Amino acid sequence: GIQVEQSPPDLILQEGANSTLRCNFSDSVNNLQWFHQNPWGQLINLFYIPSGTKQNGRLSATTVATERYSLLYISSSQTTDSGVYFCAVGGSGGGADGLTFGKGTHLIIQP
Amino acid sequence: GAGVSQTPSNKVTEKGKYVELRCDPISGHTALYWYRQSLGQGPEFLIYFQGTGAADDSGLPNDRFFAVRPEGSVSTLKIQRTERGDSAVYLCASSLGGGSKKQFFGPGTRLTVL
Repeated sequence: GIQVEQSPPDLILQEGANSTLRCNFSDSVNNLQWFHQNPWGQLINLFYIPSGTKQNGRLSATTVATERYSLLYISSSQTTDSGVYFCAVGGSGGGADGLTFGKGTHLIIQP
Repeated sequence: GAGVSQTPSNKVTEKGKYVELRCDPISGHTALYWYRQSLGQGPEFLIYFQGTGAADDSGLPNDRFFAVRPEGSVSTLKIQRTERGDSAVYLCASSLGGGSKKQFFGPGTRLTVL
């Protein structure tokens, strides 16, 4: 099956800093989503971005499908950005929409 | 409701028992997904429903796991003869369906098998 690798696995930053999280995947996809899992375990969908660039406030994401990677940018970090960020992909084979998740990037924003 | 809801939020059972976990998707969402998440890992896909039918159950680990969605809305994940290795957070997600694939997750059910 498709492999999803995220880097870095852990990241500790001061409030106000910017960060870039990376997601590499091993096969072509037609479905890529970024999620934030908060400290209480709730998964929040940040972006549906199989290709191109999107922005939502301090967050933006870019997927280069031909090179099989996606980037999530967080600017002016706040303590509430802490948590685990997951990249998830789907659609590499039979059309199923079940997502394959990476292991996540654990982000800690210190005040 | 406004979001995906799951019940119960926590379930503790003994090895060998049968459990049912319920998911109520966002109103109008035709696609429904079950995942499970072990500590320190990303969610792992189990099964996907489009309407009432299971469109892809390739992630179910074995025949002790079964899921239904009889009326195309609420879904129940059923686990027979539970094992300690089944302990995890079981997550449900829904999406609008059709060309819209963005998935929205519920809060999960934490299952502990003693």
